Amino acid sequence: DTEVTQTPKHLVMGMTNKKSLKCEQHMGHRAMYWYKQKAKKPPELMFVYSYEKLSINESVPSRFSPECPNSSLLNLHLHALQPEDSALYLCASSADRSGLVINEQYFGPGTRLTVT
Amino acid sequence: QKEVEQNSGPLSVPEGAIASLNCTYSDRGSQSFFWYRQYSGKSPELIMFIYSNGDKEDGRFTAQLNKASQYVSLLIRDSQPSDSATYLCAVPVSGGYNKLIFGAGTRLAVHP
Repeated sequence: DTEVTQTPKHLVMGMTNKKSLKCEQHMGHRAMYWYKQKAKKPPELMFVYSYEKLSINESVPSRFSPECPNSSLLNLHLHALQPEDSALYLCASSADRSGLVINEQYFGPGTRLTVT
Repeated sequence: QKEVEQNSGPLSVPEGAIASLNCTYSDRGSQSFFWYRQYSGKSPELIMFIYSNGDKEDGRFTAQLNKASQYVSLLIRDSQPSDSATYLCAVPVSGGYNKLIFGAGTRLAVHP
């Protein structure tokens, strides 16, 4: 089963709101990712967790705060977002790398975020 | 700056034809290569991955890798209208980081 689930599917929030996106996988993967995707653009990496520790932060503004409570769950906490943060937010997971070989990533369905 | 380049298309092919999508990459140290299909409004779906030089076949899909020339391609045989989507090539950053660089994607349109 290569399923990654994300909730909610859609989210509309004001610039002063605080909300969270959730992601879950039960494939035993130890690497989890957050991506942001704007229309007609490829996914853009935001954060990588490896064995529940943050290993990559792609200089993401602090209004985005990731959290990995356990090996199956990944959250993205949102606070004081801007309208330009409206996008599709994708979670992905993979087995951790095998030496220098990176393993395939499986994406969840995404959360469509609109900031008003 | 690591780069992955794809022709944005659209690539238009008739139903039943072979669609050929190409991708070049700049990082000579990359060890694995991925093709994702993305329908409009949906998330990327992994359809092929390849680690070794040569061809890898899975149903109607064939991935071809040439590390010396730094290109990877995806062939779709017997193209169907349901194959119409954007195809994203993804290449990892070398050095063992869990990080993929995505190409801009090629939009494929299969017409009946």
